[in-house]
Amino acid sequence: GENVEQHPSTLSVQEGDSAVIKCTYSDSASNYFPWYKQELGKGPQLIIDIRSNVGEKKDQRIAVTLNKTAKHFSLHITETQPEDSAVYFCAASPSREVNSGGSNYKLTFGKGTLLTVNP
Amino acid sequence: KAGVTQTPRYLIKTRGQQVTLSCSPISGHRSVSWYQQTPGQGLQFLFEYFSETQRNKGNFPGRFSGRQFSNSRSEMNVSTLELGDSALYLCASSLVLAGLQETQYFGPGTRLLVL
Repeated sequence: GENVEQHPSTLSVQEGDSAVIKCTYSDSASNYFPWYKQELGKGPQLIIDIRSNVGEKKDQRIAVTLNKTAKHFSLHITETQPEDSAVYFCAASPSREVNSGGSNYKLTFGKGTLLTVNP
Repeated sequence: KAGVTQTPRYLIKTRGQQVTLSCSPISGHRSVSWYQQTPGQGLQFLFEYFSETQRNKGNFPGRFSGRQFSNSRSEMNVSTLELGDSALYLCASSLVLAGLQETQYFGPGTRLLVL
């Protein structure tokens, strides 16, 4: 099955600095890579995602890059702010297969990165 | 559009009891997936339902079960609770897009404490 490794497990930056979180995956069938932000007491919230036919995607201060050959993808947050402090999770999933009744479909998550942005 | 809702938000049970958690997906979403989140194991996939059928199951014992209703709402049940079942149980919903990548949206979770 799929295995997703995420590094680092904790990351502390000064406000205004950039933060980078990296993930690797093992299953070449994975072609969708979302990133979630989880604040204390809340469920994970999707912040950005990337599909296998795209190498990079950007949304304001957040960007994600994907290298399918190397099986790794990264989250980049620029101009960090204290409200960016949270746990960030990467994940990977395949497309749902029609013939199997969709039995292949699920998200596999990394272990998470606790990001702390110091004012 | 309302998000994914889960009830109850908090539960305290004792070992040996059983518990039922409920999830209402985003309107129009037919797939509901359940995940267990613990500090040690992180987010782990329990199972997925759509069209009232379990489509995929993670590596959890048979004490963990679920079902889905015709309106796509889902419940999960844990029988004979153990201390190690204490966790945040998350529900996520998505559109079913065969052959395409699907975005899953999570609810706030149900925090279960087993004493």
